[in-house]
Amino acid sequence: GAVVSQHPSRVICKSGTSVKIECRSLDFQATTMFWYRQFPKQSLMLMATSNEGSKATYEQGVEKDKFLINHASLTLSTLTVTSAHPEDSSFYICSAASTSGRRGGELFFGEGSRLTVL
Amino acid sequence: AQSVSQHNHHVILSEAASLELGCNYSYGGTVNLFWYVQYPGQHLQLLLKYFSGDPLVKGIKGFEAEFIKSKFSFNLRKPSVQWSDTAEYFCAVNLFSGGYNKLIFGAGTRLAVHP
Repeated sequence: GAVVSQHPSRVICKSGTSVKIECRSLDFQATTMFWYRQFPKQSLMLMATSNEGSKATYEQGVEKDKFLINHASLTLSTLTVTSAHPEDSSFYICSAASTSGRRGGELFFGEGSRLTVL
Repeated sequence: AQSVSQHNHHVILSEAASLELGCNYSYGGTVNLFWYVQYPGQHLQLLLKYFSGDPLVKGIKGFEAEFIKSKFSFNLRKPSVQWSDTAEYFCAVNLFSGGYNKLIFGAGTRLAVHP
């Protein structure tokens, strides 16, 4: 099946620094990539939708200046947490869809990145 | 606002018992529907999906789900669960609006199956 790779899997940083997380679709071109955040024992919260060739669409309540998303190519999307604070500590998961439109939504998920901000 | 509701947060069953997990969504437009499973320590995997056609869809590992449009529901079922079905189950709805896809997840249901 399709494979999505996410890197790094774990990152620890100091408060105030920025962290970049990469999401790559390894064997297909992803027209749409999604970034989710999962709090302990909770569901995935959609942060933003990134469509190749256009700006990311952020969900209500998600600060676009804090969580910068760049869909650089059909196989790479990056999430940069700028000026990270301890409350940004979480599990971030990316996913990619190989198709869009009426058959969209079948996603392939990365392994997730656990961010810990000290 | 668009949302997905899963009625059961925790379900505990004995092996061989039947399973039904509820999922309802609120969105009046066209949707695609999914159930994902997350086994302990692993990432999300697709169980089954509905795009169109027969509203009763069959997925992997003996799971099935029925789309009832009038009830905005997509409940997951399995006639006889196994210990290996212990996992967290997420219902997800894909909305296609304005040229963009958006996949929204329910809160998840944690299933524990006892031998």
